[in-house]
Amino acid sequence: NAGVTQTPKFRVLKTGQSMTLLCAQDMNHEYMYWYRQDPGMGLRLIHYSVGEGTTAKGEVPDGYNVSRLKKQNFLLGLESAAPSQTSVYFCASSYATAGRGELFFGEGSRLTVL
Amino acid sequence: LAKTTQPISMDSYEGQEVNITCSHNNIATNDYITWYQQFPSQGPRFIIQGYKTKVTNEVASLFIPADRKSSTLSLPRVSLSDTAVYYCLVGGDTGRRALTFGSGTRLQVQP
Repeated sequence: NAGVTQTPKFRVLKTGQSMTLLCAQDMNHEYMYWYRQDPGMGLRLIHYSVGEGTTAKGEVPDGYNVSRLKKQNFLLGLESAAPSQTSVYFCASSYATAGRGELFFGEGSRLTVL
Repeated sequence: LAKTTQPISMDSYEGQEVNITCSHNNIATNDYITWYQQFPSQGPRFIIQGYKTKVTNEVASLFIPADRKSSTLSLPRVSLSDTAVYYCLVGGDTGRRALTFGSGTRLQVQP
């Protein structure tokens, strides 16, 4: 049982470069989320999706884009990386809404922007 | 959005009961209260969820008073492996409401 899988797990970028983080879940969950966590801080919601083909902004969406073309995948893109985007990124999914159901998290993707 | 307030940190010893209280004064009628645990370099893990009164599972209990403006996570007989950050979340059944984690409570269990 893979659950929620994030790739890549580590990445180093230079300022201005672009990249995409992939989140895949095999639990047939409708809801998917992208969070970022800075050192010593809690998780902040970047974007989320309530179903295939839908996306919505969270608390800190600026500088990120997302797509949910397939139900099982949720992609997070950085078009022009900035040092302020150095963080650990967590993807999560849930069967029901996050407030009612259980969030299942991936292992995280550590991104460093130089 | 229901904002939550938790203590920044707590210390305990092995074998003790630990109670972590979360304040959520503006909780909405359809909001549930959920607690997550996070170890370093890992994603958070679901512990327990409740709406009112008391909920108990194999790892914790959740106490919610009648006014639901606060909740208490109770960890019985903690061990060193319970050292982690604990987050209290409040949210409802409307998918378009963002779910915020806050800073959590850092629990340190000592031998």
